[in-house]
Amino acid sequence: GDSVTQMEGPVTLSEEAFLTINCTYTATGYPSLFWYVQYPGEGLQLLLKATKADDKGSNKGFEATYRKETTSFHLEKGSVQVSDSAVYFCALRETSYDKVIFGPGTSLSVIP
Amino acid sequence: NAGVTQTPKFQVLKTGQSMTLQCAQDMNHNSMYWYRQDPGMGLRLIYYSASEGTTDKGEVPNGYNVSRLNKREFSLRLESAAPSQTSVYFCASSPRYGTDTQYFGPGTRLTVL
Repeated sequence: GDSVTQMEGPVTLSEEAFLTINCTYTATGYPSLFWYVQYPGEGLQLLLKATKADDKGSNKGFEATYRKETTSFHLEKGSVQVSDSAVYFCALRETSYDKVIFGPGTSLSVIP
Repeated sequence: NAGVTQTPKFQVLKTGQSMTLQCAQDMNHNSMYWYRQDPGMGLRLIYYSASEGTTDKGEVPNGYNVSRLNKREFSLRLESAAPSQTSVYFCASSPRYGTDTQYFGPGTRLTVL
């Protein structure tokens, strides 16, 4: 079945460091891909998405490119801030049955 | 707008007790969902309601029941709680089933002793 794999962390970075969180997926069709973010004590929020190969999603300085050839959707940010400390979830939605499948989440801590 | 609200925020139950988790959304969304979040497992879908008046099983429905009370409200009931149901429960909604973006509530942390 369809699945999402991502590095679980926790990841600890210093402020202004470069961030990469890896995400790879397995899907039978042509899914849409997402990154959701969960700040402490809150529910998940959509961070960015891409709906087809080579699309780049971006928001709040975060970017991710839909790479069909490597079945990946890695999240990047050039300079992280303390306020980026959160759990990040990679997810896919298979268009044939519309269910959203989430990865296990990656915990990020940014220290001053 | 409050978005998606959930009550309670925290709950401790003893094995065998029952309880209902409440969820409401004020965005006039047609579809609503219940997930559980466990360490290392990501979010798993328990039940969903594609539209008012319908409910369907998700990935892990055993031990749970749901009610779509009206367009706004979607409740999750544990009839006889078990320690394996210790988890964080999230309710979500979307404009319609199959749309990309879901909107999540803040979650309910449930511990079953």
